[in-house]
Amino acid sequence: DVKVTQSSRYLVKRTGEKVFLECVQDMDHENMFWYRQDPGLGLRLIYFSYDVKMKEKGDIPEGYSVSREKKERFSLILESASTNQTSMYLCASSLNRGLDEKLFFGSGTQLSVL
Amino acid sequence: GQNIDQPTEMTATEGAIVQINCTYQTSGFNGLFWYQQHAGEAPTFLSYNVLDGLEEKGRFSSFLSRSKGYSYLLLKELQMKDSASYLCVPVDSGNTPLVFGKGTRLSVIA
Repeated sequence: DVKVTQSSRYLVKRTGEKVFLECVQDMDHENMFWYRQDPGLGLRLIYFSYDVKMKEKGDIPEGYSVSREKKERFSLILESASTNQTSMYLCASSLNRGLDEKLFFGSGTQLSVL
Repeated sequence: GQNIDQPTEMTATEGAIVQINCTYQTSGFNGLFWYQQHAGEAPTFLSYNVLDGLEEKGRFSSFLSRSKGYSYLLLKELQMKDSASYLCVPVDSGNTPLVFGKGTRLSVIA
Protein backbone atom coordinates (compact mmCIF):
# COMPACT_ATOMS: atom_id res chain seq x y z
CA ASP A 1 0.00 0.00 0.00
CA VAL A 2 1.07 3.53 -0.72
CA LYS A 3 2.16 5.43 2.30
CA VAL A 4 2.14 9.21 2.49
CA THR A 5 3.75 10.45 5.65
CA GLN A 6 3.41 13.94 7.05
CA SER A 7 6.00 14.88 9.62
CA SER A 8 3.66 16.17 12.33
CA ARG A 9 0.05 15.49 13.26
CA TYR A 10 -0.26 18.62 15.41
CA LEU A 11 1.87 21.75 15.30
CA VAL A 12 1.71 25.02 17.21
CA LYS A 13 3.67 28.02 15.95
CA ARG A 14 3.85 31.73 16.64
CA THR A 15 2.97 34.53 14.26
CA GLY A 16 5.94 35.44 12.08
CA GLU A 17 7.72 32.10 12.41
CA LYS A 18 8.90 30.22 9.34
CA VAL A 19 7.14 26.86 9.23
CA PHE A 20 8.09 23.75 7.30
CA LEU A 21 5.57 20.99 6.67
CA GLU A 22 7.18 17.87 5.30
CA CYS A 23 5.57 15.15 3.22
CA VAL A 24 7.13 11.93 1.99
CA GLN A 25 5.61 9.22 -0.22
CA ASP A 26 7.09 5.78 -0.72
CA MET A 27 5.61 4.61 -4.04
CA ASP A 28 7.53 6.56 -6.66
CA HIS A 29 4.52 8.74 -7.50
CA GLU A 30 5.02 11.51 -10.04
CA ASN A 31 2.47 13.92 -8.63
CA MET A 32 2.29 15.55 -5.21
CA PHE A 33 -0.13 18.09 -3.78
CA TRP A 34 -0.71 20.31 -0.79
CA TYR A 35 -4.26 21.15 0.29
CA ARG A 36 -5.68 22.97 3.25
CA GLN A 37 -9.06 22.37 4.77
CA ASP A 38 -10.99 24.66 7.07
CA PRO A 39 -14.24 23.88 8.92
CA GLY A 40 -17.22 23.91 6.58
CA LEU A 41 -15.05 24.26 3.49
CA GLY A 42 -13.80 21.76 0.98
CA LEU A 43 -10.17 21.02 0.32
CA ARG A 44 -8.42 23.95 -1.31
CA LEU A 45 -5.31 23.43 -3.40
CA ILE A 46 -2.25 25.42 -2.37
CA TYR A 47 0.53 24.08 -4.61
CA PHE A 48 1.21 20.99 -6.65
CA SER A 49 4.06 19.32 -8.47
CA TYR A 50 4.01 16.96 -11.44
CA ASP A 51 7.73 16.29 -11.41
CA VAL A 52 10.88 16.79 -9.41
CA LYS A 53 11.94 20.44 -9.20
CA MET A 54 8.64 21.43 -10.78
CA LYS A 55 5.94 23.33 -8.91
CA GLU A 56 2.74 25.08 -9.83
CA LYS A 57 0.43 27.37 -7.93
CA GLY A 58 -2.95 26.10 -6.93
CA ASP A 59 -5.95 28.17 -5.99
CA ILE A 60 -4.57 29.76 -2.81
CA PRO A 61 -0.76 30.01 -3.01
CA GLU A 62 -0.39 33.37 -1.27
CA GLY A 63 1.78 33.17 1.84
CA TYR A 64 3.15 29.74 0.92
CA SER A 65 6.00 28.27 -1.07
CA VAL A 66 7.03 24.69 -1.81
CA SER A 67 10.11 22.65 -2.52
CA ARG A 68 10.49 19.39 -4.39
CA GLU A 69 14.17 18.53 -4.59
CA LYS A 70 13.55 14.77 -4.58
CA LYS A 71 10.70 12.81 -6.13
CA GLU A 72 9.48 11.38 -2.85
CA ARG A 73 9.47 14.59 -0.81
CA PHE A 74 7.29 17.69 -1.14
CA SER A 75 7.66 20.41 1.46
CA LEU A 76 5.26 23.24 2.18
CA ILE A 77 6.78 26.40 3.60
CA LEU A 78 5.00 29.20 5.40
CA GLU A 79 7.47 32.04 5.08
CA SER A 80 5.98 34.08 7.91
CA ALA A 81 3.11 32.31 9.63
CA SER A 82 -0.06 34.25 10.27
CA THR A 83 -3.15 33.41 12.31
CA ASN A 84 -5.25 32.98 9.15
CA GLN A 85 -3.01 30.07 8.21
CA THR A 86 -4.33 28.07 11.14
CA SER A 87 -5.79 25.07 9.35
CA MET A 88 -5.58 21.36 8.57
CA TYR A 89 -2.94 20.74 5.93
CA LEU A 90 -3.18 17.65 3.78
CA CYS A 91 -0.48 16.28 1.53
CA ALA A 92 -1.39 13.86 -1.25
CA SER A 93 0.30 11.98 -4.06
CA SER A 94 -0.83 10.21 -7.22
CA LEU A 95 0.85 8.05 -9.82
CA ASN A 96 -0.42 9.70 -12.98
CA ARG A 97 -3.70 10.49 -14.82
CA GLY A 98 -7.11 8.76 -14.87
CA LEU A 99 -7.35 5.94 -12.32
CA ASP A 100 -3.71 6.52 -11.68
CA GLU A 101 -4.73 9.99 -10.60
CA LYS A 102 -6.25 8.45 -7.47
CA LEU A 103 -4.98 10.54 -4.62
CA PHE A 104 -3.42 8.99 -1.56
CA PHE A 105 -3.47 11.32 1.41
CA GLY A 106 -1.27 11.71 4.42
CA SER A 107 -2.95 11.83 7.82
CA GLY A 108 -2.84 15.62 7.88
CA THR A 109 -1.17 18.27 10.01
CA GLN A 110 -3.35 20.44 12.21
CA LEU A 111 -1.44 23.71 12.40
CA SER A 112 -2.28 26.37 14.94
CA VAL A 113 -0.67 29.78 14.59
CA LEU A 114 -0.89 31.88 17.74
CA GLY B 1 -13.68 24.98 -14.99
CA GLN B 2 -15.73 22.59 -12.92
CA ASN B 3 -19.10 22.68 -11.21
CA ILE B 4 -20.04 20.02 -8.69
CA ASP B 5 -23.46 19.85 -7.07
CA GLN B 6 -24.19 17.56 -4.12
CA PRO B 7 -26.59 17.91 -1.20
CA THR B 8 -24.89 19.56 1.76
CA GLU B 9 -26.26 17.24 4.44
CA MET B 10 -28.22 13.99 4.67
CA THR B 11 -29.46 11.92 7.57
CA ALA B 12 -30.30 8.22 7.44
CA THR B 13 -31.09 5.44 9.86
CA GLU B 14 -28.78 2.60 10.80
CA GLY B 15 -29.46 -0.42 8.60
CA ALA B 16 -31.11 1.61 5.85
CA ILE B 17 -30.01 2.45 2.30
CA VAL B 18 -28.99 5.96 1.26
CA GLN B 19 -28.21 7.41 -2.15
CA ILE B 20 -25.99 10.47 -2.46
CA ASN B 21 -26.41 12.23 -5.79
CA CYS B 22 -23.88 14.32 -7.64
CA THR B 23 -24.21 16.34 -10.80
CA TYR B 24 -21.17 17.85 -12.40
CA GLN B 25 -19.93 19.89 -15.31
CA THR B 26 -16.35 19.63 -16.49
CA SER B 27 -14.34 20.76 -19.48
CA GLY B 28 -13.72 17.27 -20.80
CA PHE B 29 -14.20 14.17 -18.68
CA ASN B 30 -11.81 11.48 -17.57
CA GLY B 31 -13.71 9.66 -14.86
CA LEU B 32 -15.16 10.39 -11.44
CA PHE B 33 -13.95 9.54 -7.93
CA TRP B 34 -15.88 9.17 -4.71
CA TYR B 35 -13.99 9.75 -1.47
CA GLN B 36 -15.03 9.32 2.14
CA GLN B 37 -13.79 11.70 4.80
CA HIS B 38 -14.39 11.26 8.52
CA ALA B 39 -14.25 14.37 10.66
CA GLY B 40 -10.67 15.40 11.40
CA GLU B 41 -9.20 12.81 9.04
CA ALA B 42 -7.90 12.70 5.49
CA PRO B 43 -10.14 11.59 2.60
CA THR B 44 -9.96 7.94 1.60
CA PHE B 45 -10.70 6.48 -1.81
CA LEU B 46 -14.02 4.70 -2.31
CA SER B 47 -14.53 4.28 -6.04
CA TYR B 48 -13.64 5.39 -9.53
CA ASN B 49 -16.05 5.27 -12.51
CA VAL B 50 -15.08 6.04 -16.06
CA LEU B 51 -17.71 4.02 -17.96
CA ASP B 52 -21.48 4.34 -17.65
CA GLY B 53 -23.15 1.98 -15.25
CA LEU B 54 -23.03 0.66 -11.74
CA GLU B 55 -19.93 -0.57 -9.94
CA GLU B 56 -20.51 -2.52 -6.76
CA LYS B 57 -18.00 -2.94 -4.00
CA GLY B 58 -19.40 -4.55 -0.88
CA ARG B 59 -21.93 -2.28 0.82
CA PHE B 60 -20.99 0.62 -1.44
CA SER B 61 -21.93 1.06 -5.10
CA SER B 62 -21.25 3.94 -7.47
CA PHE B 63 -23.16 4.80 -10.63
CA LEU B 64 -22.19 7.02 -13.54
CA SER B 65 -24.05 8.52 -16.47
CA ARG B 66 -21.61 10.49 -18.59
CA SER B 67 -24.26 11.87 -20.93
CA LYS B 68 -26.22 13.30 -18.00
CA GLY B 69 -23.23 14.48 -15.99
CA TYR B 70 -24.59 12.50 -13.08
CA SER B 71 -23.29 10.07 -10.52
CA TYR B 72 -24.51 8.60 -7.27
CA LEU B 73 -23.05 6.71 -4.37
CA LEU B 74 -25.28 4.06 -2.82
CA LEU B 75 -24.62 2.89 0.72
CA LYS B 76 -26.45 -0.20 1.94
CA GLU B 77 -26.92 -1.61 5.44
CA LEU B 78 -25.81 1.66 6.95
CA GLN B 79 -23.61 1.55 10.01
CA MET B 80 -22.83 4.29 12.50
CA LYS B 81 -19.25 4.38 11.22
CA ASP B 82 -20.56 5.48 7.81
CA SER B 83 -21.22 8.91 9.30
CA ALA B 84 -18.78 11.01 7.28
CA SER B 85 -18.54 13.44 4.38
CA TYR B 86 -18.72 11.95 0.90
CA LEU B 87 -16.91 13.80 -1.86
CA CYS B 88 -17.78 13.55 -5.54
CA VAL B 89 -14.67 14.41 -7.59
CA PRO B 90 -14.89 14.50 -11.39
CA VAL B 91 -11.66 14.36 -13.36
CA ASP B 92 -11.37 16.68 -16.30
CA SER B 93 -9.31 15.77 -19.32
CA GLY B 94 -6.91 18.68 -19.01
CA ASN B 95 -3.70 18.57 -17.06
CA THR B 96 -5.24 20.00 -13.90
CA PRO B 97 -5.39 18.66 -10.37
CA LEU B 98 -8.53 17.25 -8.80
CA VAL B 99 -10.98 19.79 -7.43
CA PHE B 100 -12.83 18.89 -4.24
CA GLY B 101 -16.16 20.44 -3.29
CA LYS B 102 -17.57 20.51 0.24
CA GLY B 103 -19.16 17.11 -0.23
CA THR B 104 -22.22 15.66 1.47
CA ARG B 105 -22.16 15.24 5.22
CA LEU B 106 -24.02 12.04 6.09
CA SER B 107 -25.23 11.41 9.61
CA VAL B 108 -26.32 7.88 10.48
CA ILE B 109 -28.68 7.73 13.44
CA ALA B 110 -29.90 4.82 15.51
